[in-house]
Amino acid sequence: EVQLVESGGGLVQPGRSLKLSCLASGFTFSNYGMNWIRQAPGKGLEWVASISSSSSYIYYADTVKGRFTISRDNAKNTLYLQMTSLRSEDTALYYCARQGTRIFDYWGQGVMVTVSS
Amino acid sequence: DVVMTQTPVSLSVSLGGQVSISCRSSQSLVHNNGNTYLSWYLQKPGQSPQLLIYKVSNRFSGISDRFSGSGSGTDFTLKISRVEPDDLGVYYCGQGTQYPFTFGSGTKLEIK
Repeated sequence: EVQLVESGGGLVQPGRSLKLSCLASGFTFSNYGMNWIRQAPGKGLEWVASISSSSSYIYYADTVKGRFTISRDNAKNTLYLQMTSLRSEDTALYYCARQGTRIFDYWGQGVMVTVSS
Repeated sequence: DVVMTQTPVSLSVSLGGQVSISCRSSQSLVHNNGNTYLSWYLQKPGQSPQLLIYKVSNRFSGISDRFSGSGSGTDFTLKISRVEPDDLGVYYCGQGTQYPFTFGSGTKLEIK
């Protein structure tokens, strides 16, 4: 069974940093691209970043480019999102999602990030 | 960026009824490789989104045949037949043809 478990969220002040993790199990992690997708409270889905299986290809939404860094450790079956210079508009539930062929076929339960003073 | 426009914003249906949700993209979703990467997701209350349909009309593993997708180019439709209580939630279309990947704003399905 595919499982994706996010962690690392919490309350952080504007301008500070936070690092999210997503531990994957139930599939060969190193064979799949991975994504972070977020959902602000009461809002829709916003794709944040993608990383290919070997980290060769990385893409970001313009709203986070230059501030967020997606990475992965295939030996640890873990996906990361390093978030810096956080803003109030980054407040959201952050989902880790496995990438099938240009689809998000499995999602984690999400981790909440709240940016507030 | 590809803008995905979903209609309606919400709809109410009786159990056993049928509904259609429309999704339009601001650009053709046909990829250079000939595939059209249009997907549908359902987010049930309090849950993570789940994949229903991929590449316009392919049902994901375990998805009931009551769900069907159709369309081409820029116009797509999700149909749900014989609506059941477990179908309620917010439906999103999403495109994976080009980065940045984008989603529609969602359609909330309520049961009468």
